[in-house]
Amino acid sequence: EDQVTQSPEALRLQEGESSSLNCSYTVSGLRGLFWYRQDPGKGPEFLFTLYSAGEEKEKERLKATLTKKESFLHITAPKPEDSATYLCAVQAGSYIPTFGRGTSLIVHP
Amino acid sequence: GAGVSQTPSNKVTEKGKYVELRCDPISGHTALYWYRQSLGQGPEFLIYFQGTGAADDSGLPNDRFFAVRPEGSVSTLKIQRTERGDSAVYLCASSLIANHYGRVTSTDTQYFGPGTRLTVL
Repeated sequence: EDQVTQSPEALRLQEGESSSLNCSYTVSGLRGLFWYRQDPGKGPEFLFTLYSAGEEKEKERLKATLTKKESFLHITAPKPEDSATYLCAVQAGSYIPTFGRGTSLIVHP
Repeated sequence: GAGVSQTPSNKVTEKGKYVELRCDPISGHTALYWYRQSLGQGPEFLIYFQGTGAADDSGLPNDRFFAVRPEGSVSTLKIQRTERGDSAVYLCASSLIANHYGRVTSTDTQYFGPGTRLTVL
């Protein structure tokens, strides 16, 4: 059974304080790993898809990386508007992604 | 449409009642998914449609839950004899297609609607 574990559950940062969120996964035959951002009361918003170990993708202050066992979402010099829950999901043998529980990020001004 | 829309945004009902939740996917998207999300949890898969047919309904918790997509576009999730444990946010997502093999591509990307918050009293 595919498993996705995200850590930490919650993270508080000061504006400008860079950090990383972790997504560890156990799957058989990774076909893709997704990162989503979810604001309170809204649906998840797609950020990135990663396919193979060593791959990196960037968008503004966010950079996602992938190894064979985990993915990191690096946030550089975060701003208060980056506050949200970040969800990781993996797609392996099935076409149905398995989601982690998310990391709740709060960035204080 | 510009994005996935869901109605109603909020639904409050009494235990034992019947509810219908609607999802309008992005125009042209053939794959449609329903998820349920409880507080502090990630989305939990319920059912997946490819076109008009339910390709995978393995996530439906019991036979009180049913979903349809009669014309391959709009979908309705139906819950009979609601229970307090059904309270959650119900999310709908759509993707252009759903590749069953090989590396996922951009066409597999799922775009989510804002969800329907269901409260069963």
